[in-house]
Amino acid sequence: AQSVTQPDIHITVSEGASLELRCNYSYGATPYLFWYVQSPGQGLQLLLKYFSGDTLVQGIKGFEAEFKRSQSSFNLRKPSVHWSDAAEYFCAVGAVDGNKLVFGAGTILRVKS
Amino acid sequence: ETGVTQTPRHLVMGMTNKKSLKCEQHLGHNAMYWYKQSAKKPLELMFVYNFKEQTENNSVPSRFSPECPNSSHLFLHLHTLQPEDSALYLCASSQGLAANPGGRETQYFGPGTRLLVL
Repeated sequence: AQSVTQPDIHITVSEGASLELRCNYSYGATPYLFWYVQSPGQGLQLLLKYFSGDTLVQGIKGFEAEFKRSQSSFNLRKPSVHWSDAAEYFCAVGAVDGNKLVFGAGTILRVKS
Repeated sequence: ETGVTQTPRHLVMGMTNKKSLKCEQHLGHNAMYWYKQSAKKPLELMFVYNFKEQTENNSVPSRFSPECPNSSHLFLHLHTLQPEDSALYLCASSQGLAANPGGRETQYFGPGTRLLVL
């Protein structure tokens, strides 16, 4: 079965510092990968997705992610974090059987000024 | 984001009450989903509907009863809930299996209904 691991439950970064959130997936073929962000009390907003092609994917709000097949990873990055980026971030992989998404447990990002 | 709306946004109910959650999508999609998000737990998929037909029931207790009258609307009927059912209930939609088979579906989420069962 497919699975997604987000090793960091919490991450704290200073405003203006760079950010990398880790995501590892378990899937034999080429996966369909997603990053979502959830602000407190809100639903999930799609940041970016990878289906095929260029392994570096650009998303909204200045985020990017890189697909590395050899490491089964799809890490999310941002060069300079803003206080408004504080939220919970979810990595997900599209399930091979049907139109489901398998989500990781999420990483809570705190931004200190 | 107004593509997927959910009402009410907050709900408090007793264990003997009956209430319904409503979800509406304005994206022309054909698949709709209910998720449960509890504190300190991963997102749990509850139900999936494709073209109004239920295609997934993730072993959800019968006190949760979904209804999908058309591709734009999804309801979750609640009755005799337990305090552990308190959570954020999220609705999502996507194009549907016929358009994107095999996991290539992008889901768009509503803001959720925060449910508290007393």
